[in-house]
Amino acid sequence: GAGVSQSPSNKVTEKGKDVELRCDPISGHTALYWYRQRLGQGLEFLIYFQGNSAPDKSGLPSDRFSAERTGESVSTLTIQRTQQEDSAVYLCASSPVGGFYNEQFFGPGTRLTVL
Amino acid sequence: AQRVTQPEKLLSVFKGAPVELKCNYSYSGSPELFWYVQYSRQRLQLLLRHISRESIKGFTADLNKGETSFHLKKPFAQEEDSAMYYCALIQGAQKLVFGQGTRLTINP
Repeated sequence: GAGVSQSPSNKVTEKGKDVELRCDPISGHTALYWYRQRLGQGLEFLIYFQGNSAPDKSGLPSDRFSAERTGESVSTLTIQRTQQEDSAVYLCASSPVGGFYNEQFFGPGTRLTVL
Repeated sequence: AQRVTQPEKLLSVFKGAPVELKCNYSYSGSPELFWYVQYSRQRLQLLLRHISRESIKGFTADLNKGETSFHLKKPFAQEEDSAMYYCALIQGAQKLVFGQGTRLTINP
């Protein structure tokens, strides 16, 4: 079946503009994660959704970042008033249950460039 | 704080030579560790997890709690092993904490 999909694949925006990134998880996966990868750095956890539970937002770097998820489907990551330091690849992942040992399946990422 | 360290950003070995990608961690509890791999133009994907004690594509990794390490090893490197490798640790319920990654290049 289809894997995790993300759109757009590339986004170039001007400093100060808002951007919205989309993630479609694998059907049936209850857990969804967003990560950020800055150039030359590791993956940085941003936010985690599990079913109808309150999301774990502890990784969001500032209040300019927010994310939503409708039920167990699509999620959107919104960055308001983008800054140049927001330039990164944003990765989405999903897993079937959100249990401790479950494998996370990653999307192809969205490369965001803030000019 | 929980942390994963991969000391080598770049590693280059010849085909047929042994490979070891280093990973050290700091974690206060009982860790669950993983290796993820990203081949060129492909998605990040799970390579192996320590609880499974598995060998995938000839790679193995042993958790050494005394040295707080989880090094990835392969006795004979192949060209198709060239990729970006990430060591990761489960923190709390679900958050994967990743190292900075090591780019492995296998020379013919």
